[in-house]
Amino acid sequence: EAGVTQSPTHLIKTRGQQATLRCSPISGHTSVYWYQQALGLGLQFLLWYDEGEERNRGNFPPRFSGRQFPNYSSELNVNALELEDSALYLCASNDREYQETQYFGPGTRLLVL
Amino acid sequence: GDSVTQMEGPVTLSEEAFLTINCTYTATGYPSLFWYVQYPGEGLQLLLKATKADDKGSNKGFEATYRKETTSFHLEKGSVQVSDSAVYFCALSEYTGRRALTFGSGTRLQVQP
Repeated sequence: EAGVTQSPTHLIKTRGQQATLRCSPISGHTSVYWYQQALGLGLQFLLWYDEGEERNRGNFPPRFSGRQFPNYSSELNVNALELEDSALYLCASNDREYQETQYFGPGTRLLVL
Repeated sequence: GDSVTQMEGPVTLSEEAFLTINCTYTATGYPSLFWYVQYPGEGLQLLLKATKADDKGSNKGFEATYRKETTSFHLEKGSVQVSDSAVYFCALSEYTGRRALTFGSGTRLQVQP
């Protein structure tokens, strides 16, 4: 069974640009979670999507947004990029009804210059 | 709010030494507890979990027991290997409400031959 996949693996942008990160959950999983792992700041919860709806978000500004598609894959969009947005962005998935365990993808490493 | 506190790293051990990584938590409800491991350049892998008090999670020689009275979930392994070198994250999840994982800051383990 395929795990969570993310693309691209690496992304380089300049300040002020927009970044789009993609995530495909494990087959059968309906929930997708996004986390930011910035150097020195640990893992921070960004967003939770389930059944196409945003269910919760962490303490991040509105320029961090996303969506979930009918096939449960998800996009994370970061607008007006700032240098401190440089981080590893991790996506996780689970079946909201039956699982608490979140299964993580390999991440997208975003570098903002 | 919920929080997880882990011992500071790095932890440096010789091969076959005994490992303990301390983890304590604060939560409003009855969380599930997790240990995730991150190998260099990779995403997070679930190592083990426990969903209620006195449960013991175990995997690949690692163990942790959910201690409600001390709000702890310490990770142990009797004999570490060089291949165990990684960053270990303790995390909690409340099944209702927010659903996000709350992570500790991570503990880097270095095992020397």
